[in-house]
Amino acid sequence: TQLLEQSPQFLSIQEGENLTVYCNSSSVFSSLQWYRQEPGEGPVLLVTVVTGGEVKKLKRLTFQFGDARKDSSLHITAAQPGDTGLYLCAGAITGSARQLTFGSGTQLTVLP
Amino acid sequence: NAGVTQTPKFQVLKTGQSMTLQCAQDMNHEYMSWYRQDPGMGLRLIHYSVGAGITDQGEVPNGYNVSRSTTEDFPLRLLSAAPSQTSVYFCASTRTPGYGYTFGSGTRLTVV
Repeated sequence: TQLLEQSPQFLSIQEGENLTVYCNSSSVFSSLQWYRQEPGEGPVLLVTVVTGGEVKKLKRLTFQFGDARKDSSLHITAAQPGDTGLYLCAGAITGSARQLTFGSGTQLTVLP
Repeated sequence: NAGVTQTPKFQVLKTGQSMTLQCAQDMNHEYMSWYRQDPGMGLRLIHYSVGAGITDQGEVPNGYNVSRSTTEDFPLRLLSAAPSQTSVYFCASTRTPGYGYTFGSGTRLTVV
């Protein structure tokens, strides 16, 4: 059983569309991170959220941490082909910050 | 800055052989960790270290050994390779566990 459930697993959209990726758990996290991974490379950190209800924006990407710190979402506005990649959420469970737990990922394809 | 450097990039082993995956970081991070990435399962923690001389097990430690003699290096040893260890291995480091991690570019290992 995956501690962090990501949905959807696959997403294929047209350039210009909006999308949201979800990351859910029954555990409380002291922090949650989002990464983007391209083929043949390691994950690259996009953002870390630490406060319940926190919203962070990175250009066209908006990240939200749930009030109870059990879930998070990533919203992309006006997706571009350059957004294509594997998006991973990862969390540090409260009291176990040394062990980062990853979701299974969302493979996003943005078609021109 | 090189960040996190992993070698080799690719490796093919026969069942029963042993090998060491190398990981080095030049950011003076105390915390280092090893993950394996398999299709549909995200990244799973193998072993981690909070500083030189200190290591601990993650979610999937069986069949792997680690040691940490310096802050910079954190090698992962496969004692007797098995086909189930075919995977992509990533090394990551951070100054503060639970926050932004820097990943290497990975080692793709095939055990035949």
